[in-house]
Amino acid sequence: SYDLTQPPSVSVSPGQTARITCSGDALPKKYAYWYQQKSGQAPVLVIYEDNKRPSGIPERFSGSSSGTMATLTISGAQVEDEADYYCSSTDSSGYPAFGGGTKLTVL
Amino acid sequence: EVQLVESGGGLVQPGGSLRLSCAASGFTFNSRWMSWVRQAPGKGLEWVANINEDGSEKHYVDSVTGRFTISRDNAKNSLYLQMKSLRAEDTAVYFCATDLHFYQDTSGWDDYFDFWGQGTLVTVSS
Repeated sequence: SYDLTQPPSVSVSPGQTARITCSGDALPKKYAYWYQQKSGQAPVLVIYEDNKRPSGIPERFSGSSSGTMATLTISGAQVEDEADYYCSSTDSSGYPAFGGGTKLTVL
Repeated sequence: EVQLVESGGGLVQPGGSLRLSCAASGFTFNSRWMSWVRQAPGKGLEWVANINEDGSEKHYVDSVTGRFTISRDNAKNSLYLQMKSLRAEDTAVYFCATDLHFYQDTSGWDDYFDFWGQGTLVTVSS
């Protein structure tokens, strides 16, 4: 199995910048993807191919990747951004893998 | 608008079987890879299986290989997951998702999930 490591929780005040990290040995060669999951809802793709935003995702969401770490940044986090965030990438066998998830609290 | 609607979940005894369905609309179903992803209660996401556009290529996570079978019916715009020999650890919400499956020259195959259904709960318990 392929391990992607995320912090269990991140907390920021509204308007601050939230950064959620994801570390994995294959990230120098593989893209990172980020999903937002609000309580009781399905996940939503917020970043693909390290740093691209799907249509409809606010500009305050951005992604970056350097070496073995990918980062999701929410610039000016809002109360409605409170959710679980999961990074994802592909393991050496070519199968998708997810990190353990990070609970973002905005208050 | 892309819509994915799962059904077929429920309570099943250990060792039992269940068949999940996912009805797709709003996109050209027969041109997309599809995946099942599950989430145990209070836990994270786990990819379970995927299938290519015409159903000729299928892949599974090790923990379900030999017990689960993914399939699709393009005429009905539907995706399925047949689950056998169910275990308590299979208890989860099962999501179907469209799977962007592509090849990178530098690092091989890659997958991500651009649209998700709302999920169906499978509970394995006696």
